Amino acid sequence: EPEVTQTPSHQVTQMGQEVILRCVPISNHLYFYWYRQILGQKVEFLVSFYNNEISEKSEIFDDQFSVERPDGSNFTLKIRSTKLEDSAMYFCASSGFLGGEQFFGPGTRLTVL
Amino acid sequence: TQLLEQSPQFLSIQEGENLTVYCNSSSVFSSLQWYRQEPGEGPVLLVTVVTGGEVKKLKRLTFQFGDARKDSSLHITAAQPGDTGLYLCAGLNTGTASKLTFGTGTRLQVTL
Repeated sequence: EPEVTQTPSHQVTQMGQEVILRCVPISNHLYFYWYRQILGQKVEFLVSFYNNEISEKSEIFDDQFSVERPDGSNFTLKIRSTKLEDSAMYFCASSGFLGGEQFFGPGTRLTVL
Repeated sequence: TQLLEQSPQFLSIQEGENLTVYCNSSSVFSSLQWYRQEPGEGPVLLVTVVTGGEVKKLKRLTFQFGDARKDSSLHITAAQPGDTGLYLCAGLNTGTASKLTFGTGTRLQVTL
């Protein structure tokens, strides 16, 4: 069964460093998303991406964040200068069509020290 | 800002009991998805309800979407220890039809 994969599973970084979180969405899906979940809190939407551009982003997704689909399979989230409050689980999701079911990856746990 | 409130937040029951989890909002959603999440893992999709009043069954789980598409419920019949987990509802926004708004979650524990 097709699934969304994410790497790494756990990333530890120092405050101020850049991190890139990687995702491989389900192969025939066209819509891609990043969400995050701070420990003990709700899953929050960060950004949606379609046709090589951002279609919607939340207030959390400020200038420190960027997304890219560098090739036909990967979808990345970059945090340029990490802050302590960026520590969270980051989930990638994909769907086959606008408004379709979203399938989530296993997440990357980001710890900023 | 659209909000989805789930109740109860925590539920501890014995094997064989029935339970219902509620997901409520003042906003209308184009569809609503139910997920189950294990600790340290991503949400796993259980079902999507789209039409107001729709009822979907997945073995012992029954999902219902409110007539006005603002609320939903998950009913589990004869709960088993394997049902233990965090249940999340997530609404798909009518306007953009792209992002999910997640509920606060219901943590279920089923004991023998």
